[in-house]
Amino acid sequence: DVKVTQSSRYLVKRTGEKVFLECVQDMDHENMFWYRQDPGLGLRLIYFSYDVKMKEKGDIPEGYSVSREKKERFSLILESASTNQTSMYLCASSSPGAMIYTEAFFGQGTRLTVV
Amino acid sequence: GENVEQHPSTLSVQEGDSAVIKCTYSDSASNYFPWYKQELGKRPQLIIDIRSNVGEKKDQRIAVTLNKTAKHFSLHITETQPEDSAVYFCAARGDSGAGSYQLTFGKGTKLSVIP
Repeated sequence: DVKVTQSSRYLVKRTGEKVFLECVQDMDHENMFWYRQDPGLGLRLIYFSYDVKMKEKGDIPEGYSVSREKKERFSLILESASTNQTSMYLCASSSPGAMIYTEAFFGQGTRLTVV
Repeated sequence: GENVEQHPSTLSVQEGDSAVIKCTYSDSASNYFPWYKQELGKRPQLIIDIRSNVGEKKDQRIAVTLNKTAKHFSLHITETQPEDSAVYFCAARGDSGAGSYQLTFGKGTKLSVIP
């Protein structure tokens, strides 16, 4: 059973704080993703990684950075949190691109509130 | 990059009726089209997918159709039940280098099945 686990279910941070969201997967997947989910906007890709230490910008990378030091762990970093980053953050992982017809497995989400 | 449009944003049907959700995509190189279901408070989960070399796929009460020429694909749910109530997301995945690992999602359809 695939497991993608995000470190926090709910998080409240102050404006200007540096925030770390952690995601761990146990299926040895090469690909990992961070999405942001907002009502009426669907799932928007922030960053993704297809290998350790590799990262690619998604559609909305501004204000975020990522780190992938180990294959199983993908971190999303908000360098200086702002109120417009209040959102649900979803991590996902999938098998390598060579097998392109593969399911993306999602974590349970982190509801981040920036006050 | 890929752009996925999804309609309608909300859909209400009577129990036992059929529901249809439609998506269009912009990148003709996209070749994999999954559908995810997200129940309230839960993570998105894959319910059905289709590859670009297939026109239709069926799994019990759900089916997906793909028209590559028109660049649109649809989800069909027959004999709807209250447990089908959820948000449904379509997605498209391209095959263009690093982009092959990226899933672009539609904005979602909130389906309500009225008992």
